[in-house]
Amino acid sequence: GAGVSQSPRYKVAKRGQDVALRCDPISGHVSLFWYQQALGQGPEFLTYFQNEAQLDKSGLPSDRFFAERPEGSVSTLKIQRTQQEDSAVYLCASSSGGSYNEQFFGPGTRLTVL
Amino acid sequence: KQEVTQIPAALSVPEGENLVLNCSFTDSAIYNLQWFRQDPGKGLTSLLLIQSSQREQTSGRLNASLDKSSGRSTLYIAASQPGDSATYLCAVQTGANNLFFGTGTRLTVIP
Repeated sequence: GAGVSQSPRYKVAKRGQDVALRCDPISGHVSLFWYQQALGQGPEFLTYFQNEAQLDKSGLPSDRFFAERPEGSVSTLKIQRTQQEDSAVYLCASSSGGSYNEQFFGPGTRLTVL
Repeated sequence: KQEVTQIPAALSVPEGENLVLNCSFTDSAIYNLQWFRQDPGKGLTSLLLIQSSQREQTSGRLNASLDKSSGRSTLYIAASQPGDSATYLCAVQTGANNLFFGTGTRLTVIP
């Protein structure tokens, strides 16, 4: 079956632009996670959804970052007024059932802010 | 806050050699530990997941062990192949829902 997909795979934005990153989780997976991976670092947690409910957004670095999952499937991570420090790979993961199940990751979106 | 450390940061071995990657974590109250593989420009591929009640998991040439009380895990790769070259990431899941990752070990297997 299909895995987690993300689009676009690459995004170049000028500083100050808004961007939207999309994640399609594995069908039927109730939990969805967003992570940010800076160059040479491990991924860091941004936010977590269970179905359409955003249960944890403690990792979002600023109020410029916003995530939604309105119908409990596809999720969008939006970054407003992008800054150079937002340049990173944004990874989406999903898991079935409870939040302590194995997480399956998408290929990521590489965001470069000029 | 959970801190995850991986040693070494980089490792280069000749093909056929057995090798061990190390992962340590500061808070032993974990629910599970996962080992991932990441190829350049790609996402993460899950290799093994060890629940907190388990001591080890095996998949093919890979064996991962977990010593929760000492905050350590090892990933053993037998008979390494050039196709094993990648970055290996260790991650633990605690009371929060998210994974805490180490910075990874970049493995190069020389033909």
